[in-house]
Amino acid sequence: AQSVTQLDSHVSVSEGTPVLLRCNYSSSYSPSLFWYVQHPNKGLQLLLKYTSAATLVKGINGFEAEFKKSETSFHLTKPSAHMSDAAEYFCVVSDLGSQGNLIFGKGTKLSVKP
Amino acid sequence: EAQVTQNPRYLITVTGKKLTVTCSQNMNHEYMSWYRQDPGLGLRQIYYSMNVEVTDKGDVPEGYKVSRKEKRNFPLILESPSPNQTSLYFCASSLTPLAKTQYFGPGTRLLVL
Repeated sequence: AQSVTQLDSHVSVSEGTPVLLRCNYSSSYSPSLFWYVQHPNKGLQLLLKYTSAATLVKGINGFEAEFKKSETSFHLTKPSAHMSDAAEYFCVVSDLGSQGNLIFGKGTKLSVKP
Repeated sequence: EAQVTQNPRYLITVTGKKLTVTCSQNMNHEYMSWYRQDPGLGLRQIYYSMNVEVTDKGDVPEGYKVSRKEKRNFPLILESPSPNQTSLYFCASSLTPLAKTQYFGPGTRLLVL
């Protein structure tokens, strides 16, 4: 069975400092992994996706994530936070064994201080 | 413009009164899905559909029904809503389940009294 754990419910950083949002997953098959962002009172937007190609995935707005099979992790990073990055971020897993069934993490709320 | 639309956007109803939330996409996508979002629980998949007349349960299907008679529409039906179905609901679509871009609707906020 697949599952996803976002290790921090809330992360606070200062503008201009690095961002690290942690995600661990479990999957019986080769997983596909996603990060989505949700700004306040908005829908969800895809940041990036991993589907067994390059393990380092670059997304929009300067975010990237690295798939580490040995650690079953897919952490999201950004070198320098911007005020507009303040939002909630969701890690999502899907695998071939349950095609169509996406499992969302509980979300990490990112706050950015000036 | 490529989009997923949901109606209504806001709904207040009472326990037991049947309701339907519509979802429509204009991208000829095969895959559509419904989620509910609750504080501290993230998004949980209710039902999904791989194509017309093909639907399957997600993680929290109890109390919900769906249908997929046409490719563009995927309504969510609550036959007898209860207060624990008060939530924010999102519809999503994509060309395939693992497509690079999943399109989400704007959300429907439901309050069941």
